[in-house]
Amino acid sequence: SAVISQKPSRDICQRGTSLTIQCQVDSQVTMMFWYRQQPGQSLTLIATANQGSEATYESGFVIDKFPISRPNLTFSTLTVSNMSPEDSSIYLCSFYRGTTEAFFGQGTRLTVV
Amino acid sequence: QQQVKQSPQSLIVQKGGIPIINCAYENTAFDYFPWYQQFPGKGPALLIAIRPDVSEKKEGRFTISFNKSAKQFSLHIMDSQPGDSATYFCAASIMDSSYKLIFGSGTRLLVRP
Repeated sequence: SAVISQKPSRDICQRGTSLTIQCQVDSQVTMMFWYRQQPGQSLTLIATANQGSEATYESGFVIDKFPISRPNLTFSTLTVSNMSPEDSSIYLCSFYRGTTEAFFGQGTRLTVV
Repeated sequence: QQQVKQSPQSLIVQKGGIPIINCAYENTAFDYFPWYQQFPGKGPALLIAIRPDVSEKKEGRFTISFNKSAKQFSLHIMDSQPGDSATYFCAASIMDSSYKLIFGSGTRLLVRP
């Protein structure tokens, strides 16, 4: 099975600060995705990150708040900027192995105080 | 049009029972319908998926029933076990295009011993 490593697994942050979440995949992938999952809720796509191009953001998410980097085909970062308590959530990265199976990281549980 | 509606929100069955989770969609462009299983503290994992050209797919104890005309699909878990207790998400996507997954709201399943 695919290996996808996400760091940190959890963090407690002060409001107004920023947190960068890292996602490392065990093989090269074209598209990576970042999702947000509020506790007990469903997953909502934040953005799609392709290597060598700007990330594509979904409605309600903007680059200034959630800048994404994709420096190579195995790595991506998501930054949650100028955090507020409303940003408390689980953030997950994801990629496709082949064309049909999406793999997810274990998630980063963020609490903003 | 981009929503996937999932029901019920929660479900409790006895061991050996057959829980059924239902999903409905509006966008007829969706052509891939996976089900994900998520345990606490873990990312979602692909359970089973179906394309709209078939009406049923079975893998082990898990079966997807698909009704294209009604734009509905469901997950059946045969001979359910306490280890099946988890949250289940249906999803939909348009393959060969954006690949992004639109998730249902999730169903929390508890299988009692």
